[in-house]
Amino acid sequence: QLLESGGGLAQPGGSLRLSCAASGFTFKNFAMNWVRQTPGKGLEWVSGIIGSGGETYYAASVKGRFTISRDNAKNILFLQMNSLRVEDTAVYYCANGWFDKLNPYDAFDVWGQGTVVKVSS
Amino acid sequence: QSVMTQPPSASGTPGQRVTISCSGSSSNIKNNYVNWYRQLPGSAPKLLIFRNHQRPSGVPDRFSGAKSGASASLAISGLRSDDEADYYCSSWDDSLSGWVFGGGTKLTVV
Repeated sequence: QLLESGGGLAQPGGSLRLSCAASGFTFKNFAMNWVRQTPGKGLEWVSGIIGSGGETYYAASVKGRFTISRDNAKNILFLQMNSLRVEDTAVYYCANGWFDKLNPYDAFDVWGQGTVVKVSS
Repeated sequence: QSVMTQPPSASGTPGQRVTISCSGSSSNIKNNYVNWYRQLPGSAPKLLIFRNHQRPSGVPDRFSGAKSGASASLAISGLRSDDEADYYCSSWDDSLSGWVFGGGTKLTVV
């Protein structure tokens, strides 16, 4: 099970930190991802991190502004979002598949319920 | 604008078979697997098809996936009213080193 938190209202240029608490599986053995969905629009993969935390991946739209990390001792995934823009307004989901590394054989098998981020002045 | 292209809408009548297409490129679909997700209103997406045509446990065989070249398709047979949802294709993109999604197809059962 995955449970996101930390969403809310932020001003353009501001920051938010999202969390995703994992339970029911051996967290450190799985790569984790953040996927967002803008209002009325489709899905966009945002970022991924391998099981050990040693490698991170980002979509071009957030690279340099967002930082993904994980605490394998506490089974928590994070997304630090800085320099927020209006276009970052979305529902943010954490999701994982079956492997410890991001790879083309994987799929998002487990999803959280999402947390809403709104960026507005 | 999404990296992979899906028709924005599709429709069918109960019992009918409908197909949703997904068009990509050599950096994603042509050389990688395709996954399909279904999203009901107000809910998180759910994995429907993985690695082009495989179904997770619990997904009925009314749902099937196929891939040819840089395109993929999702077929739903025996259409039911509760199949009304948004359907998304997804694939790994080698050029972007990340996952990409199609823009989604809203399926209506009329």
